[in-house]
Amino acid sequence: ETGVTQTPRHLVMGMTNKKSLKCEQHLGHNAMYWYKQSAKKPLELMFVYSLEERVENNSVPSRFSPECPNSSHLFLHLHTLQPEDSALYLCASSQEVGTPSYEQYFGPGTRLTVT
Amino acid sequence: GQNIDQPTEMTATEGAIVQINCTYQTSGFNGLFWYQQHAGEAPTFLSYNVLDGLEEKGRFSSFLSRSKGYSYLLLKELQMKDSASYLCAVLDSNYQLIWGAGTKLIIKP
Repeated sequence: ETGVTQTPRHLVMGMTNKKSLKCEQHLGHNAMYWYKQSAKKPLELMFVYSLEERVENNSVPSRFSPECPNSSHLFLHLHTLQPEDSALYLCASSQEVGTPSYEQYFGPGTRLTVT
Repeated sequence: GQNIDQPTEMTATEGAIVQINCTYQTSGFNGLFWYQQHAGEAPTFLSYNVLDGLEEKGRFSSFLSRSKGYSYLLLKELQMKDSASYLCAVLDSNYQLIWGAGTKLIIKP
């Protein structure tokens, strides 16, 4: 149990669908992250939230829309995705943003397939 | 640009020792992390190095040379459960983690 949960674990959606990914952390952390992991590629940081404020948006297409209603929950809303968006989406949390030595705790990820 | 290089795949024998290398070129340096990721699971933290030298933690050790932009993860007394991907990541001057693509380690009996 890593303290970070994600639902759903698997998701298949068509290009015209709208779906949401959910992440919850039970560690009392102040920072939360969304990553995209594609096969044989480095983890791509998508969004960073610190105390519910977005502090990083790495040129992610607008078809991905994050939401952080409180410091324990993070959502990623998906709409009109492309097949190349198929990947593992990982949520992570850490004690703080912008401080060295604080490791990130990851959830198990959502395996997304866009058809 | 920022770059992290590590081998794509390595194979080792149960009970042996393996060293996984990571070289980096980043804008600034605030530490280097190693994570382990079993197939279909979340990455989990293994080690953090910010000063030069070797940090030992049980069967796993991590080494850092900042002047060479180089780190390695040393795994001793390999067990089958060590079969996983090992991710190297550097915290740059903006405290953003720059990730390598990971090294898939295959352990054979």
